[in-house]
Amino acid sequence: DADVTQTPRNRITKTGKRIMLECSQTKGHDRMYWYRQDPGLGLRLIYYSFDVKDINKGEISDGYSVSRQAQAKFSLSLESAIPNQTALYFCATSDRGASTDTQYFGPGTRLTVL
Amino acid sequence: GDSVTQMEGPVTLSEEAFLTINCTYTATGYPSLFWYVQYPGEGLQLLLKATKADDKGSNKGFEATYRKETTSFHLEKGSVQVSDSAVYFCALSDLAGTALIFGKGTTLSVSS
Repeated sequence: DADVTQTPRNRITKTGKRIMLECSQTKGHDRMYWYRQDPGLGLRLIYYSFDVKDINKGEISDGYSVSRQAQAKFSLSLESAIPNQTALYFCATSDRGASTDTQYFGPGTRLTVL
Repeated sequence: GDSVTQMEGPVTLSEEAFLTINCTYTATGYPSLFWYVQYPGEGLQLLLKATKADDKGSNKGFEATYRKETTSFHLEKGSVQVSDSAVYFCALSDLAGTALIFGKGTTLSVSS
């Protein structure tokens, strides 16, 4: 079984709709992240959480919100989706106790906003 | 702020050719450096990493050396295979250890 799972894997929605992307991990890691990937732009950080009570904005948090429901679950919400939020979204985890900040990625969610 | 610059792709090679993908960085202090690989339709996987100057990361025939004097972490492989076709991302950990900063990615296409 995959250590980091994301649901759904693909989603098509319309402008103005509320969307939630979910991430679960079985690695026992404290830290969780949400990134978006756009062609030619690499990955950009949206939000990150170092534990259940710690939520921080990343480089491009506008238009997004998150919820850390448990150590293993980290959800990303688009309150009112717009077309330029069409992208590939990745969840990642890392271990606070590790000597380096290696991150482990889920398979991604492809979101299309019409 | 911290940043990573990778050579633009796509890079197209024949099987068994030598591969170099250039990566340079700008950072405060001495970050850890990473190469991640993304195969078609999949998430990113850690390929290799280095945590201090002159360290060499290696995995699956790929190598990269942390060069502080040139602020570089170039990815190399002596003989590529068709199965190496993927997008390769160079990344560094920011000073606060908050998150990874990624380059834009380099697409590698290997033909038989």
